[in-house]
Amino acid sequence: GESVGLHLPTLSVQEGDNSIINCAYSNSASDYFIWYKQESGKGPQFIIDIRSNMDKRQGQRVTVLLNKTVKHLSLQIAATQPGDSAVYFCAETYTGANSKLTFGKGITLSVRP
Amino acid sequence: KAGVTQTPRYLIKTRGQQVTLSCSPISGHRSVSWYQQTPGQGLQFLFEYFSETQRNKGNFPGRFSGRQFSNSRSEMNVSTLELGDSALYLCASKASSTDTQYFGPGTRLTVL
Repeated sequence: GESVGLHLPTLSVQEGDNSIINCAYSNSASDYFIWYKQESGKGPQFIIDIRSNMDKRQGQRVTVLLNKTVKHLSLQIAATQPGDSAVYFCAETYTGANSKLTFGKGITLSVRP
Repeated sequence: KAGVTQTPRYLIKTRGQQVTLSCSPISGHRSVSWYQQTPGQGLQFLFEYFSETQRNKGNFPGRFSGRQFSNSRSEMNVSTLELGDSALYLCASKASSTDTQYFGPGTRLTVL
């Protein structure tokens, strides 16, 4: 598979527990944020997004929290499963004609059975 | 609806050569962006094309170029390859009405 997770911090959780993955973003002008999941040998897969006019958004088993004051983003995964093991990236952009995504370094989530 | 496709999936080239990578976006998506992913630098934006025009460009040397065709398919070219160009090159497409980019599986380029 692809070695995209070298030198990345790792979060190890027990199967069934909740996971919290944190991300600090850099640009205070960013107004759209996305979490991606990348498995070995694959491209980043969209998980959930949030706009800057919100501070929380929920999906299926996932919740994203946004704190604009401290430029912090978090992804919560409920009842973590082995299939959640992957590298997780947060990405930021400011919307409109500019589609450039700026990615965080990524965090490896390892789920223990 | 089919996802973003990229060809080839793997490439091995030698220093000094050039390479062309191809990306077919999701049907109906007119914006195509390219990213380079390496263990050291992570995911970095190369450029974005929309309606056959480059709309945004990242901080990469002129050896990296791209184009988009009328059917929204895109190619990127890297000339005079260097060892440091070894990376996973990712293409992402986006519909005009949304801000969400969807990625293809990538092309793994190895420069020897």
